Amino acid sequence: DQQVKQNSPSLSVQEGRISILNCDYTNSMFDYFLWYKKYPAEGPTFLISISSIKDKNEDGRFTVFLNKSAKHLSLHIVPSQPGDSAVYFCAAKNAGGTSYGKLTFGQGTILTVHP
Amino acid sequence: GAVVSQHPSWVICKSGTSVKIECRSLDFQATTMFWYRQFPKQSLMLMATSNEGSKATYEQGVEKDKFLINHASLTLSTLTVTSAHPEDSSFYICSARDRYQETQYFGPGTRLLVL
Repeated sequence: DQQVKQNSPSLSVQEGRISILNCDYTNSMFDYFLWYKKYPAEGPTFLISISSIKDKNEDGRFTVFLNKSAKHLSLHIVPSQPGDSAVYFCAAKNAGGTSYGKLTFGQGTILTVHP
Repeated sequence: GAVVSQHPSWVICKSGTSVKIECRSLDFQATTMFWYRQFPKQSLMLMATSNEGSKATYEQGVEKDKFLINHASLTLSTLTVTSAHPEDSSFYICSARDRYQETQYFGPGTRLLVL
């Protein structure tokens, strides 16, 4: 049961353009969402997050949008840079119960930004 | 801030031996630490959650007698892979968060190879 899905395994973007990474979830108990960037053989690096009470959060070149009714979130990177090339994971946190605080990860999207 | 370290970064051991991996939060007190495992080209799989001073909570299918977790202080958690076998070879990553934050910060990971 994949509760967090990133349906695009890869995305290729030209430098300077916008990168849009998408994520869908099914569990309505998720109350906090995060995006992580990961290089091979390294731990994930936190990028940006959003609470379920908001629909947008912006930090520099990164903006995360949350559509609760559609159970969909997206990460926008503008402008994209070659150094952004990595695997991007979205993650969702459970609000309560025995799963409180646990993160559920999507499968990841490989972003390649071409010079 | 929010730096998490892991030691060792990689380890090679013989089948049947035990391996201990340390996870430290360097600049914050981690009331909760998480241990993940990542197989090649797959997402992160949560193995267990540990709260400081209490027993770890293991995910379904994870053997608690094989993967011993200790979270004795607010800055240190250890994962011991007991009687390691080649199928335990993987990339193990820890994360940590404090009681005031929703975000989990990840360590750099430990590559384990069991011969």
